[in-house]
Amino acid sequence: GAGVSQSPSNKVTEKGKDVELRCDPISGHTALYWYRQSLGQGLEFLIYFQGNSAPDKSGLPSDRFSAERTGGSVSTLTIQRTQQEDSAVYLCASSPAGLPNQPQHFGDGTRLSIL
Amino acid sequence: EDQVTQSPEALRLQEGESSSLNCSYTVSGLRGLFWYRQDPGKGPEFLFTLYSAGEEKEKERLKATLTKKESFLHITAPKPEDSATYLCAVFYNQGGKLIFGQGTELSVKP
Repeated sequence: GAGVSQSPSNKVTEKGKDVELRCDPISGHTALYWYRQSLGQGLEFLIYFQGNSAPDKSGLPSDRFSAERTGGSVSTLTIQRTQQEDSAVYLCASSPAGLPNQPQHFGDGTRLSIL
Repeated sequence: EDQVTQSPEALRLQEGESSSLNCSYTVSGLRGLFWYRQDPGKGPEFLFTLYSAGEEKEKERLKATLTKKESFLHITAPKPEDSATYLCAVFYNQGGKLIFGQGTELSVKP
């Protein structure tokens, strides 16, 4: 597809379970970002991948959160032992090379609900 | 601390009633300021990028301007379809992440 694709669009799970969220960036984009949007909060940066460089993990809120990007394309965000405060919309974005003059293009997100 | 603040939080306008949204920032070494539009249940949609004080960008009824401390999104003669949340973000000096404001929820009534 032409845009950033995320799956699933919605995920409901029980507290304590692990979840995996997937992001398929725009073809050819080397920069990939994960953000979290909670009710009443702005978008919060989680992690950034750029090509083969080590990812910037400075926004991950705890060690329960991890992400990987395989083959420089698809990325998976994993949340282990989910907590209710993890409920949010998780947004993925990509840009051609992560430069300041290149806007980040967002997917429609995964809405995660922890019961 | 790098920070982005948007005001007002919510804005209600009548169709045709022009207004402005504000985005103020305190970041060291601004490398780019972005405006996005977000509809309910959707991801943010890119509108504009501004780089230097005095720069202006226009698209249909929207015009974005930038000073050294803030940016404005001017909406001229808005229509109901302009109703959305408008987000402002700055490109962080180190690394590629964006720092977002809380957004302004705009509602335009016919």
